Amino acid sequence: DQQVKQNSPSLSVQEGRISILNCDYTNSMFDYFLWYKKYPAEGPTFLISISSIKDKNEDGRFTVFLNKSAKHLSLHIVPSQPGDSAVYFCAASAEGSGGSNYKLTFGKGTLLTVNP
Amino acid sequence: NAGVMQNPRHLVRRRGQEARLRCSPMKGHSHVYWYRQLPEEGLKFMVYLQKENIIDESGMPKERFSAEFPKEGPSILRIQQVVRGDSAAYFCASSPGTAARNIQYFGAGTRLSVL
Repeated sequence: DQQVKQNSPSLSVQEGRISILNCDYTNSMFDYFLWYKKYPAEGPTFLISISSIKDKNEDGRFTVFLNKSAKHLSLHIVPSQPGDSAVYFCAASAEGSGGSNYKLTFGKGTLLTVNP
Repeated sequence: NAGVMQNPRHLVRRRGQEARLRCSPMKGHSHVYWYRQLPEEGLKFMVYLQKENIIDESGMPKERFSAEFPKEGPSILRIQQVVRGDSAAYFCASSPGTAARNIQYFGAGTRLSVL
């Protein structure tokens, strides 16, 4: 039972354009969401996060949008750069009743390729 | 470099042998988490430890797997009598605590191959 889904295994974008990575979740207890970036042979690196009390969080070229009613979040990268080429993981945690806010549930990841 | 350090980076074991994976958290971090990533899958939570205590091991297989985080030294994930299905990347993460949504910082992982 996959509670965090990233339905696009890969995405290819031209340098300078927008990259949009999507993530859906099924567990309504999730109230905190994170995006991690992972290069080959390295560990995941934290990118940006959003709490369920917000619908948008921005950090430089990276913006995460959260649609709680649709249980959907997306990561926008504008403008995309070749160095952004990596696997992006969406992760979620739950702090509410019965939740464990330290336990991250990850999606399978989306491989982003930014072409020069 | 004060990041999360994992060693070895690659570990090859034959079926039935033991695997020991080590993790030193970031300086100042007292909370350690272990995750496993099978091929083509996302990372899956295994265990959460604080110094000398296992807080949550709900994601760890009941047999053959154990974890510790002693008062001195790194955290150890131990897999006894390895089988081919244990082949995976094992990632360790650390955080200063769990309050206020502490971000987990990951090491580069140990890639275990069981022959």
